[in-house]
This record gives sequence, C-alpha cells and structure tokens, in this order.
Amino acid sequence: GAGVSQSPSNKVTEKGKDVELRCDPISGHTALYWYRQSLGQGLEFLIYFQGNSAPDKSGLPSDRFSAERTGGSVSTLTIQRTQQEDSAVYLCASSPGQPVHEAFFGQGTRLTVV
Amino acid sequence: GQNIDQPTEMTATEGAIVQINCTYQTSGFNGLFWYQQHAGEAPTFLSYNVLDGLEEKGRFSSFLSRSKGYSYLLLKELQMKDSASYLCAVGGSWGKLQFGAGTQVVVTP
Repeated sequence: GAGVSQSPSNKVTEKGKDVELRCDPISGHTALYWYRQSLGQGLEFLIYFQGNSAPDKSGLPSDRFSAERTGGSVSTLTIQRTQQEDSAVYLCASSPGQPVHEAFFGQGTRLTVV
Repeated sequence: GQNIDQPTEMTATEGAIVQINCTYQTSGFNGLFWYQQHAGEAPTFLSYNVLDGLEEKGRFSSFLSRSKGYSYLLLKELQMKDSASYLCAVGGSWGKLQFGAGTQVVVTP
C-alpha cells in the first residue's frame, strides 16, 4: 500500500482480555517498529524488527506483550491479560532499513482498557 | 543505552523564530532525526542529519554536532499551523530509532 496501515484504529477491551494489533508496513520496507504513546507523552520504544527477526525487544514492558512478523511484512502486537495501564496509542512505523532511514508512521491504534 | 533530552514546552509568537535543542548520549549513532507530531496524528518526518553542520529545508533548519552530542531544530517565520510536538530521534545500531519525549511548541497570535 501507499503508507503504513494499522488496524483496528480504535479498540476498547475489558481488563483481562487479550488483544491483537496489526501493522501492514510499506511494501519493501525491511525495518518495522512498534511504539507506545500515552496521553501527552513521548514515544516509548517497544520492539524493532529487521525482516522477521527482532534484534531489539528491550522495550516490551512485560511478558504479557509479544510481537511477531511474518514474511518480512505484516506484524502483530499481542497484549495478553490487558491492564488499564496498557491504555495508549500504539504506533507502528516502517523504514527501508539499514543504513538507518527515516521511519514512516501509521495512524496508530488507540487502545482503551476498561 | 541512549539518553535523549529536549525541553518540554516552548512558546513563541507568529512570525518569530524558535530553536529546539536536543542533547543525546548514545552507544551507537547513525544520524539524528526530527519529526513533527500534531495532536492526535502520527509523527511525520522533518529532517535528518548524519554529518556535522546545518541542513536547511525551507522554513525549517536542523543542526548537528556529533562531538557535542547536540542538535537543534530551527523554525523560522512561525505560523499557527506549526503548533505541534517536535520529536528528536537518534538512529542507532541495526537501524533502530530512539525518540526523545518531544517538545510542545505553542505559537501565539
């Protein structure tokens, strides 16, 4: 597609439920990033993919968070047993990869845990 | 690890100039990026510096000093639409981007 696509755009879930957030990067982009942004805060790095592997997953806040990427394309961020503090906008970005390039962001998924 | 610092908020009047500073301490460095983020929207790319010096792009300029771990974004002839958060980001190992907390710029009439 023309840009980074994320779905759903909004998600309201009950505390304790699992959620899956999807990211379709720009075609041909090898690098993919997940960030989290809480209200009025900066971007918190979660995980970075180069191809299908994740050289850096240091930002995942707990073992309830996991992510995968298949076919060097689509990525899914899964949050298990959601908590209210997980409420945030989850942003995905992709770039052509190494050497480092500008990243292009999707519109994000706004997650609300009630 | 990486530490990226920028001011929380800056206010300036329409038509003025504002300079947003960013200092960083990194274990690897592959360039310095600036992004603009309007409220409720995704960040958009503004500039990229990998060598020391000034890069000019219309009303926006960005400067880098690698030896000092310092960059700034200069916004000239401020317009109301420039009210946004400005994010400094360091490119590190593996092509990873690490962001600062952002500087909220408020442009007043």
